[in-house]
Amino acid sequence: GDSVTQMEGPVTLSEEAFLTINCTYTATGYPSLFWYVQYPGEGLQLLLKATKADDKGSNKGFEATYRKETTSFHLEKGSVQVSDSAVYFCALPYSSASKIIFGSGTRLSIRP
Amino acid sequence: NAGVTQTPKFQVLKTGQSMTLQCAQDMNHNSMYWYRQDPGMGLRLIYYSASEGTTDKGEVPNGYNVSRLNKREFSLRLESAAPSQTSVYFCASRPGGSWGDQPQHFGDGTRLSIL
Repeated sequence: GDSVTQMEGPVTLSEEAFLTINCTYTATGYPSLFWYVQYPGEGLQLLLKATKADDKGSNKGFEATYRKETTSFHLEKGSVQVSDSAVYFCALPYSSASKIIFGSGTRLSIRP
Repeated sequence: NAGVTQTPKFQVLKTGQSMTLQCAQDMNHNSMYWYRQDPGMGLRLIYYSASEGTTDKGEVPNGYNVSRLNKREFSLRLESAAPSQTSVYFCASRPGGSWGDQPQHFGDGTRLSIL
């Protein structure tokens, strides 16, 4: 069945470091893929999305490329800031359904 | 522009008490969802309503009931609260149709503790 596997955290980096959070998926066909972010005490917000293979989603300096060959959608940022400290979720809609699967979340902490 | 509004934001209950979590959206969305978030377990779907007048079970429906009161409102009821239901509860909505064009919008959550 459909599934999402996300890199476990927590991840702690220094400010201006390079970030990668891995996400791989199993799905029927080529669904849309999402990254959501959750800041402390808040709900999830859509960070970026890709709707087809080879698409690159980007927002706030974050990028993720939909790679069908490796069934991956890794999140990257070239230079992280303290304000990027949050929990990040990879997500995949179920095939032919109204539901979406979320990864387990990766907590990111950035040191000044 | 309120988006998805959840009430209350915090609640403490005793085991066996009942309560209803309220969710309302002002975006004219068709689909609404209830999730719970527990440490290290991501989000788990409790119930969802793909459109007004329909509700379906998610991964963890036991101990909960829902009502899609109208297009705007989707409530979650705990009939007899148990400590295992201590969690943060999130409501979400989306217009419906293609996921690529119409992702979910989330409320800020209800933090529920059962003693």
